Amino acid sequence: NAGVMQNPRHLVRRRGQEARLRCSPMKGHSHVYWYRQLPEEGLKFMVYLQKENIIDESGMPKERFSAEFPKEGPSILRIQQVVRGDSAAYFCASSPPLAGGHNEQFFGPGTRLTVL
Amino acid sequence: GDSVTQMEGPVTLSEEAFLTINCTYTATGYPSLFWYVQYPGEGLQLLLKATKADDKGSNKGFEATYRKETTSFHLEKGSVQVSDSAVYFCALSDSVGANNLFFGTGTRLTVIP
Repeated sequence: NAGVMQNPRHLVRRRGQEARLRCSPMKGHSHVYWYRQLPEEGLKFMVYLQKENIIDESGMPKERFSAEFPKEGPSILRIQQVVRGDSAAYFCASSPPLAGGHNEQFFGPGTRLTVL
Repeated sequence: GDSVTQMEGPVTLSEEAFLTINCTYTATGYPSLFWYVQYPGEGLQLLLKATKADDKGSNKGFEATYRKETTSFHLEKGSVQVSDSAVYFCALSDSVGANNLFFGTGTRLTVIP
């Protein structure tokens, strides 16, 4: 059973360009989470999605950031008009349908975004 | 709100030394508690977990006990190895509301031969 897959592993963009980060959850997992890790910091929650639904986006910046998890295909985190402050590692995690409110998430290897 | 406070690093130990990394939490419900490990250049891997008070999670010689009375989940290992060098993150998932994880800031452990 393949783990959570993310691509690309490394992404370089110039200021003002768009960045698209992809995440394929583990087989059988219907819940996807995106986290951002700034240098020397812990992970910060961004958004929680199920198929075709955004469940919680309380950690997403109000502008330029969006996420989707379509019925078919990977989850996409999209950052428009990137700025240097967007440089970070973006991690995706997935989990199976929740049982009893307890959550175990499985993480992908991350996408390291560098904005020049 | 929910939060995790983790012992600041970095921590440097000699091989076979005893390890403790402190973690305390604040949560509104009945959280599950986790320790994740991040090796250089990689994503996070679940190291161990505990889902209710007094549970002890253990894996690869590491263990942590869910202490509700002190709201703590300290990570311990009796004898560390060079291969344990990594960043360790304490995290919680609250049973109330959304199920995202709240992470501590991480503790970098370096084990020297």
